[in-house]
Amino acid sequence: GAVVSQHPSRVICKSGTSVKIECRSLDFQATTMFWYRQFPKQSLMLMATSNEGSKATYEQGVEKDKFLINHASLTLSTLTVTSAHPEDSSFYICSATAPGLGTDTQYFGPGTRLTVL
Amino acid sequence: GESVGLHLPTLSVQEGDNSIINCAYSNSASDYFIWYKQESGKGPQFIIDIRSNMDKRQGQRVTVLLNKTVKHLSLQIAATQPGDSAVYFCAENTAGYALNFGKGTSLLVTP
Repeated sequence: GAVVSQHPSRVICKSGTSVKIECRSLDFQATTMFWYRQFPKQSLMLMATSNEGSKATYEQGVEKDKFLINHASLTLSTLTVTSAHPEDSSFYICSATAPGLGTDTQYFGPGTRLTVL
Repeated sequence: GESVGLHLPTLSVQEGDNSIINCAYSNSASDYFIWYKQESGKGPQFIIDIRSNMDKRQGQRVTVLLNKTVKHLSLQIAATQPGDSAVYFCAENTAGYALNFGKGTSLLVTP
């Protein structure tokens, strides 16, 4: 149980285009989802916290107009990287949690590798 | 700001030996700690967790020790196997559900 999926697993796009990444909780309802970014050989950095039906809370330094997050249902959150540039190339990972699973436990998706040319 | 850090960025052990990965945290308000394993190109995989009201917790081949006095966390892996080779992160939880990750330790198991 507690499986989180992401789609796509890899995406390559041209500079200036937008990319949407989906995060789904497959067998549970996720009241809260988190988006992280990870650069090579570095740790995970929290970008934003997303609660179903409300606006995402962004971490300091993360542009909310560039990284659009939508959490429209209890099983799906999307991250859209708008007007992507090469410096946005990174590994994007989502996680999900729900009270029924244990309030502090986060389950992570497999990640999405974004490469911006 | 406060952060979670690791003492050793890389650790090389022989197959069959025990591994110890250390982590220091600075936020005394942290009440929940987790160890994750991350293989190349994959998301973090939950290994074991511990709450601040405990000082030791054991799982299958893994043990987590928490020393709140010196704000230190460790992960012990018994009889390390090649499949244990990965990057290991400690993470702490203080306010709500957001996790603060440490820098990571790369564990390399040699035959």
